[in-house]
Parts: sequence; structure tokens; C-alpha cells
Amino acid sequence: DIVMTQSPDSLAVSLGERATINCRSSQSVLYNSNNKNYLAWYQHKPGQPPRLLISWASTRESGVPDRFGGSGSRTDFTLTISSLQAEDVAVYYCQQYYSFPSFGQGTRVEIK
Amino acid sequence: EVQLVESGGGVEQPGRSLRLSCTCSGFTFGDFSMSWVRQAPGKGLELVAFIRNKVYDGTTEYAASVKGRFTISRDDSKDIVYLEMSGLTTEDTAIYYCTRDPYPAGGTYSDYWGQGTLVTVSS
Repeated sequence: DIVMTQSPDSLAVSLGERATINCRSSQSVLYNSNNKNYLAWYQHKPGQPPRLLISWASTRESGVPDRFGGSGSRTDFTLTISSLQAEDVAVYYCQQYYSFPSFGQGTRVEIK
Repeated sequence: EVQLVESGGGVEQPGRSLRLSCTCSGFTFGDFSMSWVRQAPGKGLELVAFIRNKVYDGTTEYAASVKGRFTISRDDSKDIVYLEMSGLTTEDTAIYYCTRDPYPAGGTYSDYWGQGTLVTVSS
């Protein structure tokens, strides 16, 4: 099983500042035959279902603001919110789907 | 508009069974694989099971935590996916989300989610 570990568990960022969330997998999620990283990011707000933000490590879903960006490869990935807005307060999860899908423990983002 | 609507949650005693349903609309149900993802109170997300579409013979995969106790199935004539849960334990208490996987082979990510249904296992 691939274990996903996020850091930090929580962070507080001022409005308009950058938020950075890290995700590490216990083994590579890069599929060599197609050179794709099998990694997604979700945003989860209280009382709502999770929302898919990014797939394939860096492909933003339709309708997702461009302040959200995904990067990284193999075992180390990053979700960056370039300019934090009030509506971005949520818990963020990474998920690998290289093997049976598994999620990180989540990172809570708050306003400082 | 893609919609996934779960039903069937509630309170059940340990050892008993419960069946969840997810009624789907707004997309060609048979083209997609479907999953159930749960979130226990104060915990993170866990993929419980997924079922491939008929091109892949509707084959299924399960998390180790539920294998042998839970069964996922689908009725393509009604656009419904089910989760039959048996041998319930308090560890199964969670919000259960029905999700759509954009790839017929399944086991990737979830691009659409239902609102979730709460299952509480308690004596």
C-alpha cells in the first residue's frame, strides 16, 4: 500500500499571501510508460463534499481558479495557493491513484 | 448537470447490515466507474470500494478494511450504484460519499461527489 503523508497538518496564512502544502508518497507514483504522476488534490469545506482541484499532479480542473497550482514528481508534490482568499479556508487532501487510491491525512488552511 | 444523490444512511447496531444507494443523473452512467469514499468523524478520507463499468465486466476492488464485509454493485438500467455493508462495526461510522471516476477502468480520482449520507454504528 502507498502511504501519503502531508505537511504541515495545518497552516495559517494572511489574505493575499502564498500557501504551500506538501505531499509525499511512500513510493513513486510516476508511471514511466506515460510519464504521468498519478496524484490528485482536493479541497474540502465543512458541510460540503470534497472538490477535485487538480489531477495528474498539475492539471487544474475546469472552473478552479488559477491561483491553485500543483507541482512535483515521483514522491514529492506541492499544492500552492498563490494568493490566499477567504473562500480558500478548507482542508486539502492529496490522493495517489498509482495503486488502490489512498489519501493523505489532510492539511487545514486558515486565515492568519 | 451531474448529480449523485446518496440514500440509505442511518443508525444501525454492530453486526447488522445496511445498504446505501446512489442515484445518478446528468451523465451516461454506464460509461463510468463509480466509487464510495468515507470520512469517519474527525478523520480523513478513505476510498472504500469502486466498481468498473461493463467494458471491464463491472469488476470491483475494496479497501482492506472492508473486504469481505462490503459489496459494491451497480444497476446500469437504473443509474444506481449500491454499497451493501454487513458485519458493521463502530469503526464503520462515517459519512459515505458516492463519487464518479472519470475513467472506465476505475481506481483513479473522483471528479464528482454526492453530498454524502451518514452511517452511525452504535448499540
